[in-house]
Amino acid sequence: TQLLKQSPQFLSIQEGENLTVYCNSSSVFSSLQWYRQEPGEGPVLLVTVVTGGEVKKLKRLTFQFGDARKDSSLHITAAQPGDTGLYLCAGARGGNNRKLIWGLGTSLAVNP
Amino acid sequence: SQTIHQWPATLVQPVGSPLSLECTVEGTSNPNLYWYRQAAGRGLQLLFYSVGIGQISSEVPQNLSASRPQDRQFILSSKKLLLSDSGFYLCACHPPSSYNEQFFGPGTRLTVL
Repeated sequence: TQLLKQSPQFLSIQEGENLTVYCNSSSVFSSLQWYRQEPGEGPVLLVTVVTGGEVKKLKRLTFQFGDARKDSSLHITAAQPGDTGLYLCAGARGGNNRKLIWGLGTSLAVNP
Repeated sequence: SQTIHQWPATLVQPVGSPLSLECTVEGTSNPNLYWYRQAAGRGLQLLFYSVGIGQISSEVPQNLSASRPQDRQFILSSKKLLLSDSGFYLCACHPPSSYNEQFFGPGTRLTVL
């Protein structure tokens, strides 16, 4: 059972376009992280969202945590080729649970 | 900030041979440590995690084992590799000071022939 569903699985766009990717669940998370991974490298943490309805911005990237803390979105404005990569979301269940629940990722290709 | 080292970066091994992948962490103490396997640019499968020296939790029954002989050292092993063990292996660290974030090493690409 996939507890975190990411959509779309693949996305290929032209430089300068905007895009949104989604991370959805029927479960509540105490926090949610977004990571970006480039081929042959480990994932790199982009952001952590904690509060329902929270919005965080990282340059051209905007992250939102759903009001009920069950879903999240990542919006990229004016995408650039350097944004190409695999975007992974991961949720924490809280308490003493030391594991993250991972989505399968959205593979983004930004073409020049 | 923490740094996670993994070696080797790439490894080609014959079926039936042993395996030892090492992960070491700098810049933090008493971290939780994790081994993941990733298939072909998709999601991460948690293999093992450890909350302290000698404490290992296994997530998936398999041909692999893990050990944590020191606070900042995590080792992934196998006595006899299978073709299905091929993949990209990632070590991750959750420092006590972080919220729930995990920080990753550069990974090891294992090919079993």
